[in-house]
Amino acid sequence: AQSVAQPEDQVNVAEGNPLTVKCTYSVSGNPYLFWYVQYPNRGLQFLLKYITGDNLVKGSYGFEAEFNKSQTSFHLKKPSALVSDSALYFCAVRDPWRAGTASKLTFGTGTRLQVTL
Amino acid sequence: GAVVSQHPSRVICKSGTSVKIECRSLDFQATTMFWYRQFPKQSLMLMATSNEGSKATYEQGVEKDKFLINHASLTLSTLTVTSAHPEDSSFYICSARVQTGAPLDNSPLHFGNGTRLTVT
Repeated sequence: AQSVAQPEDQVNVAEGNPLTVKCTYSVSGNPYLFWYVQYPNRGLQFLLKYITGDNLVKGSYGFEAEFNKSQTSFHLKKPSALVSDSALYFCAVRDPWRAGTASKLTFGTGTRLQVTL
Repeated sequence: GAVVSQHPSRVICKSGTSVKIECRSLDFQATTMFWYRQFPKQSLMLMATSNEGSKATYEQGVEKDKFLINHASLTLSTLTVTSAHPEDSSFYICSARVQTGAPLDNSPLHFGNGTRLTVT
């Protein structure tokens, strides 16, 4: 079974500082990995994904994530945080070897990012 | 980009009544849509996979008769919470994927803005 762990419930960072939101995964084969962001009372917005190729993936709003197979991690990073980045961030994994487009996306429990001035 | 519209955004109903939530893919066709439920300060729980023209696939522990799903067209799926009770109060989110037809589809899910259901 596939699973995702986000060990931090909340991450606090000052504006302008780099941020990291941690994610580790467990899946039988090579994973598809995703990061989503959720603002209050809204659905999730796609940030970036790793499918194959370069381990460093760049996404929306200046975010990037690094796929580390040996550590089974996919941490989300941003060099300089903004107050507007404050939101709930979800890491998700999908096993690509499941049949068809109905394969399940498994989400982590989410990490609340709080960026302060 | 792909847009998923969900309606209503907020609904309050009395215990015992039914509530219908609509999920539409506005600029793409979706043979498959997904319904999630999100509890406060928790992750998203997949409730069911909605399949156009056929029965939905429910996750273990989700009551089929309580959460009725209909996917009558390639752009519309509905979730009806029947005989709602206060414990059904939650945030319900639908999503869909732009299907490329590739053998290992890696396109991301696109989410609606969610529906906050409060049952009094």
